[in-house]
Amino acid sequence: DGGITQSPKYLFRKEGQNVTLSCEQNLNHDAMYWYRQDPGQGLRLIYYSQIVNDFQKGDIAEGYSVSREKKESFPLTVTSAQKNPTAFYLCASRRLAGGGSSYNEQFFGPGTRLTVL
Amino acid sequence: AQSVTQLGSHVSVSEGALVLLRCNYSSSVPPYLFWYVQYPNQGLQLLLKYTTGATLVKGINGFEAEFKKSETSFHLTKPSAHMSDAAEYFCAVSDRGNNRLAFGKGNQVVVIP
Repeated sequence: DGGITQSPKYLFRKEGQNVTLSCEQNLNHDAMYWYRQDPGQGLRLIYYSQIVNDFQKGDIAEGYSVSREKKESFPLTVTSAQKNPTAFYLCASRRLAGGGSSYNEQFFGPGTRLTVL
Repeated sequence: AQSVTQLGSHVSVSEGALVLLRCNYSSSVPPYLFWYVQYPNQGLQLLLKYTTGATLVKGINGFEAEFKKSETSFHLTKPSAHMSDAAEYFCAVSDRGNNRLAFGKGNQVVVIP
């Protein structure tokens, strides 16, 4: 079955460490997105990418970095510069062309819960 | 930039009663509109969406929503709440031609037996 996988499901980090969250999709989607979710805050966009080797900052990019070397993969690195990284992180993807019933829809992975100790 | 308003972070509803979650957006042109549901520690699942055509949209699990351009609203309803409807619900919008989504802050729905 096609879908989006995120790993690990739970991640613990010590202060001052960088950590990388994995996001892989086998839906052949063009665009991929990273969101941060905090209680009562909804989802806030960190970074997104519409094509391989290109990405754009979202609303809260400070302290985060991404890469898009393959269409299927969009890893997110939470750096030590991110002052409050404890949150639930969600990856999503969508098609950018072709029409059909799922056009315009973002599909979400199961999420990674990051806790800073 | 688009903004989305969902009032009432926590909504309590009795089992069998109407579920009504309100969503208002800011946009000068009709956007694409979405409702997503999230169960604890899971990702988001699409309930329904409006892109064009009929303004009353039916989704999964008995939910429906109506796009009202004059009110810039896209309220979500379900005639009879079930215990399995307990979850968090997010309204989201995107401008036509924009590949980004703007989310509301969500409604945590509690179903009372």
